[in-house]
Amino acid sequence: LAKTTQPISMDSYEGQEVNITCSHNNIATNDYITWYQQFPSQGPRFIIQGYKTKVTNEVASLFIPADRKSSTLSLPRVSLSDTAVYYCLVAAGNQAGTALIFGKGTTLSVSS
Amino acid sequence: KAGVTQTPRYLIKTRGQQVTLSCSPISGHRSVSWYQQTPGQGLQFLFEYFSETQRNKGNFPGRFSGRQFSNSRSEMNVSTLELGDSALYLCASSLQLAKSEQYFGPGTRLTVT
Repeated sequence: LAKTTQPISMDSYEGQEVNITCSHNNIATNDYITWYQQFPSQGPRFIIQGYKTKVTNEVASLFIPADRKSSTLSLPRVSLSDTAVYYCLVAAGNQAGTALIFGKGTTLSVSS
Repeated sequence: KAGVTQTPRYLIKTRGQQVTLSCSPISGHRSVSWYQQTPGQGLQFLFEYFSETQRNKGNFPGRFSGRQFSNSRSEMNVSTLELGDSALYLCASSLQLAKSEQYFGPGTRLTVT
């Protein structure tokens, strides 16, 4: 059974780079690893998705090593508005096909 | 483009009753997935529907069921409610299967008393 592990919380200051790592084992070999951001009283919002190596978009980078047992979300130069909960999402096989498994979430607090 | 909508936003039910939640996906999206979010367990995958067929399912009891209509709208039903079913139920839609980028609705807050 697949399992994901993320740090419960992280603190940072405005302008710093933040790296959040998610460990995941027994995940599907051919599926993406995805990261979401969630603010209070809202549904999660897609940040970035990758399969292997490095992916970059306008808001974040995602690093995935060759063994795919972990992934690291990198947020460059965070601001106060980046204070939120960040989740990794992986796919894993189960008896009914494929289950989508969220990590427990990392609460990022950004201070000025 | 309108986002994912969920109705109702809040619901209070009594133990033993059943409840039906509704989700309207983004226009053109064919996949709808349902998640349960609680402070203790976090976000847990319930099931995914694609083109009116259940494609994937999480580890929830049979009391939790769903369906998808030809217009991609989806409903989730929980029968014989238990106190532990109190949670935020989130619906997400995507163009292809849920393993791709998903767009989440605001959720339905269910309280079971």
